[in-house]
Amino acid sequence: EAGVAQSPRYKIIEKRQSVAFWCNPISGHATLYWYQQILGQGPKLLIQFQNNGVVDDSQLPKDRFSAERLKGVDSTLKIQPAKLEDSAVYLCASSLDSTWLLSYNEQFFGPGTRLTVL
Amino acid sequence: AQSVTQLGSHVSVSEGALVLLRCNYSSSVPPYLFWYVQYPNQGLQLLLKYTSAATLVKGINGFEAEFKKSETSFHLTKPSAHMSDAAEYFCAVAPTGNQFYFGTGTSLTVIP
Repeated sequence: EAGVAQSPRYKIIEKRQSVAFWCNPISGHATLYWYQQILGQGPKLLIQFQNNGVVDDSQLPKDRFSAERLKGVDSTLKIQPAKLEDSAVYLCASSLDSTWLLSYNEQFFGPGTRLTVL
Repeated sequence: AQSVTQLGSHVSVSEGALVLLRCNYSSSVPPYLFWYVQYPNQGLQLLLKYTSAATLVKGINGFEAEFKKSETSFHLTKPSAHMSDAAEYFCAVAPTGNQFYFGTGTSLTVIP
């Protein structure tokens, strides 16, 4: 089966510019996650979708970051305006279903988008 | 609060030697625990997971990990390192199986 697809793979922008990342999860996966991975750190969850609804966006800097998953399939993460500290790898992951809190569904990760803000 | 501590940001081993990567967690409930591997310019790949079944978990590529509740640890081991094991390894805890908290990662270098 095809994995999680992300584009672009690399992006270089100047501070205060805007940027958007795209993610297409594995077919049939209801849950989609966006993570931020700063160099030398582990991934940090930014936002989690269940179908087209937001489950958790508590760590999303909402003054500059936004994300949508309008049709419950692919998703877009946007940063506007970008800051130097946004330089990171943005990972998208998907899983079958996360509605059952006491169960577990494996998350499958895409290759990530490496953002450099100059 | 849930958290993961990985001791040693860099570990070097000789080819054929034992690999031991340490992970300690804190969780308010019995957690799900994971080890992921990340090769350069790639996403994370699941190595193994503990989901309250057997405490000794076997994963891919000859890796295994043991859940020790008394020590709140989930260390990753492999009896004999291979050059292809060189990568970044992340331990993660998911208290409800839903939201993951990752450690800061351990970079493994294998010396020929």
